[in-house]
Amino acid sequence: QSALTQPASVSGSPGQSITISCTGTSSDVGGFNYVSWYQQHPGRAPKLMIYEVSNRPSGVSSRFSGSKSGNTASLTISGLQAEDEADYYCNSYTSASTWVFGGGTKVTVL
Amino acid sequence: EVQLSESGGGLVQPGGSLRLSCAASGFTFSSYAMSWVRQTPGKGLEWVSSVSGGGHAAYYADSVKGRFTISRDNSKNTLYLQMNSLSVDDTALYYCGKGRFGVPVDVWGKGTTVTVSS
Repeated sequence: QSALTQPASVSGSPGQSITISCTGTSSDVGGFNYVSWYQQHPGRAPKLMIYEVSNRPSGVSSRFSGSKSGNTASLTISGLQAEDEADYYCNSYTSASTWVFGGGTKVTVL
Repeated sequence: EVQLSESGGGLVQPGGSLRLSCAASGFTFSSYAMSWVRQTPGKGLEWVSSVSGGGHAAYYADSVKGRFTISRDNSKNTLYLQMNSLSVDDTALYYCGKGRFGVPVDVWGKGTTVTVSS
């Protein structure tokens, strides 16, 4: 159950687009379309932003989008805003019927 | 509105036990899988355990298998996590979460803190 690999940090200026990668294996990210992304602001509980690779829950801005290619999933934030500054975690179902998170990515809005 | 409220955290010595509870409201509790996820101070999220809606299927992270037991009482809309043989590595904020198909947690509680220290 090794954690999925995410970059430690990603930054961008307001209005720009950024992409966070999440790399796993064929036993998790590559094997299932059950990849989720969570946003977490300091001192707050995480919030679901994307589920099943590319679906947005009701109420989540369309500026957030998800995709997957092979063993790597990605979260793209378009039109970056100050409020998007937070930690982001990916998650995937695994062939062992368990779930695994990524190590997290800190997004900084310059 | 879906609400989840964890309780039972606290300070415990290494080797000790603790039972966490999560009271749920605002949805049909027995229809959804539930999970526990923990977060070490300043670190990332770690999935701990999940249980099916009926309570018959349970799954665990390798790091807690054999020491933790997840269970639920659907008559009380409550999720539990029995934690035995605790070590300092189990020190974390423990979140309870409601699941949905293909998602381990779509709604999170506020968490309860467990500190394992002598």
